[in-house]
Amino acid sequence: GESVGLHLPTLSVQEGDNSIINCAYSNSASDYFIWYKQESGKGPQFIIDIRSNMDKRQGQRVTVLLNKTVKHLSLQIAATQPGDSAVYFCAGVNSGGYQKVTFGTGTKLQVIP
Amino acid sequence: NAGVTQTPKFRVLKTGQSMTLLCAQDMNHEYMYWYRQDPGMGLRLIHYSVGEGTTAKGEVPDGYNVSRLKKQNFLLGLESAAPSQTSVYFCASGYTFFGQGANIQYFGAGTRLSVL
Repeated sequence: GESVGLHLPTLSVQEGDNSIINCAYSNSASDYFIWYKQESGKGPQFIIDIRSNMDKRQGQRVTVLLNKTVKHLSLQIAATQPGDSAVYFCAGVNSGGYQKVTFGTGTKLQVIP
Repeated sequence: NAGVTQTPKFRVLKTGQSMTLLCAQDMNHEYMYWYRQDPGMGLRLIHYSVGEGTTAKGEVPDGYNVSRLKKQNFLLGLESAAPSQTSVYFCASGYTFFGQGANIQYFGAGTRLSVL
C-alpha cells in the first residue's frame, strides 16, 4: 500500500532563514501531492499542490519540488517567519474513485526569533 | 462564509455513552470526510462521502457510523464510546474539477473527544 512519510519530526529554523521540509512516498501511482499546514489547535490548511507530471511549483514564499525518480518531495519556505511555526503534512492523492488521500505524520517547524 | 464548521469543539464521554459529531460546510462540496488524529499517527480516514446520501468506509471505520442526509452536513456517530476513541476528530470537505485535479480538502477546527 501507499505510505507517505517525513524524514524529520522536528525542524528548527532561525527567523529569516529558508526552511526545507522533506517527504518521501512509496506509491508511484499518486497523481498529486499536497502540502498542508496545521497550527496548534487548528485543522490542517492547504498550502500548495503539485501534479505528478511537474517537478516544481511556486507559490507565495513557498516552493514545492518533486523528484519522481527517488519518490521525494520537499516544501521550501523562504524567509521563514514566526507565523510559519506549525506542523506540515504532505499528502499523496490517487485519482480514481474518491481520490484517496494519504497523509504523512507531519514535521513540526519551529521558528526561532 | 464559514467554511467547515464542527460541533462540539470539546466533549468528555464515559465508556459506553453515545454521541454525534456534527459537520457542516457551506462551499457546496461534493466530498466530505471524517478523520481522527492521534499523536505520531497523522490523519486517519474513518468514513467518507462522495455525495448526498452516500457513505463509505475509510481506513479505521470500526466503532463509528456516519450519515449524509443533506449535501452540506456529515454526521459522525459513536454508538458506544470506548477509551480507544479518545482523539481529535476532523471533518473535511473537498471537490474535484471535472473529476480531475487534486482533491484539496478544507478542514474544520476539530473536535477534541475524551472517553473515560
